[in-house]
Amino acid sequence: AQSVTQLDSQVPVFEEAPVELRCNYSSSVSVYLFWYVQYPNQGLQLLLKYLSGSTLVKGINGFEAEFNKSQTSFHLRKPSVHISDTAEYFCAVSPGGYQKVTFGTGTKLQVIP
Amino acid sequence: DGGITQSPKYLFRKEGQNVTLSCEQNLNHDAMYWYRQDPGQGLRLIYYSQIVNDFQKGDIAEGYSVSREKKESFPLTVTSAQKNPTAFYLCASTVTSESYEQYFGPGTRLTVT
Repeated sequence: AQSVTQLDSQVPVFEEAPVELRCNYSSSVSVYLFWYVQYPNQGLQLLLKYLSGSTLVKGINGFEAEFNKSQTSFHLRKPSVHISDTAEYFCAVSPGGYQKVTFGTGTKLQVIP
Repeated sequence: DGGITQSPKYLFRKEGQNVTLSCEQNLNHDAMYWYRQDPGQGLRLIYYSQIVNDFQKGDIAEGYSVSREKKESFPLTVTSAQKNPTAFYLCASTVTSESYEQYFGPGTRLTVT
């Protein structure tokens, strides 16, 4: 079984400030880790993924995430946010293959001008 | 362009009626998924299908049914047995060769009154 915890349901941040969205997971097997972004009334779009190798993963739109196995975390970061980053962000884990993907409850990032 | 289409974008039904949501993909992906999204609850898996003519229940399958007669199509029927059907429904498919990420359609917002 696997689970994902996104502790922050909403994160307000001023434009051009840095942001970190937190994600912790639990699983009895090795997993792959993902961050998705969802704009209002749209589907989800992949931001970045960790499959193996370097624990620092770079994604689209200037986002990056770091896999920390000992802390079972996969936090998402951006050094300087833009208004257009206002959206909901979902962390997800999967054992791979066609098996079930488990999503967190999401974090709404609100960028304040 | 390859992708996933869901139709319609908005759907309104009266209580007690069955309704079918369409999901079509031209990505040649084997696996397809249906999720339900409610505010603050993230994505919950309804059904998924790994190959044609086969599908498995997800976490909240009660009141829903699916079929997978063709690789590119995975329609979801919301039956009158679903007690709280008003939600945003997302269809996805999976690339499994190396990345395991999910591709999402734009979603269908179903309102039942």
